[in-house]
Amino acid sequence: GDSVTQMEGPVTLSEEAFLTINCTYTATGYPSLFWYVQYPGEGLQLLLKATKADDKGSNKGFEATYRKETTSFHLEKGSVQVSDSAVYFCALSDFSGGTSYGKLTFGQGTILTVHP
Amino acid sequence: AAGVIQSPRHLIKEKRETATLKCYPIPRHDTVYWYQQGPGQDPQFLISFYEKMQSDKGSIPDRFSAQQFSDYHSELNMSSLELGDSALYFCASSFYGGSNYGYTFGSGTRLTVV
Repeated sequence: GDSVTQMEGPVTLSEEAFLTINCTYTATGYPSLFWYVQYPGEGLQLLLKATKADDKGSNKGFEATYRKETTSFHLEKGSVQVSDSAVYFCALSDFSGGTSYGKLTFGQGTILTVHP
Repeated sequence: AAGVIQSPRHLIKEKRETATLKCYPIPRHDTVYWYQQGPGQDPQFLISFYEKMQSDKGSIPDRFSAQQFSDYHSELNMSSLELGDSALYFCASSFYGGSNYGYTFGSGTRLTVV
């Protein structure tokens, strides 16, 4: 079945540092890829998405490129802020227009803490 | 803009009781998904409905059932509750599979079983 693997362990950075959170996936079809962010006690918010190979999703300074050859969708940000502290989930959707209806498979989540 | 509405926000139940969680999707969205997120865990897919018919089923226990009604709202019914059912339950809705148009998540229902 489909699966998503994120880099293990929490990430702790100083403000203005560069962020990379690795995400790789396994899927039988051609999934769409997503990054979601979850702040403490809140729901999941879409951060960015990409629907086909070589697409780049971007939002609020975050970027991720859909790399089919390496089955990856790494999240990057050039300069993090304290307000970016949250849990980040990589996810894929298995929608295939008739046989599967787009359930999301999530990675384990990465806790990001940014210190002033 | 309208969002996905879940109710209640918090629910405390005793073991072996039943619980009903409700989800009101965004108008015109035709697909509803339910997810369970245990403490410190990633969300796990439970079940989905497309145009009021069950479209996919994940790791949903037999003690749980769900349905989507004519007004497109959905309910997750949970019986014989166990301590391990304590989790955050999310509902999400989308239009036609979500891949191109995205998914919108509700704020979740936090269920505590004591």
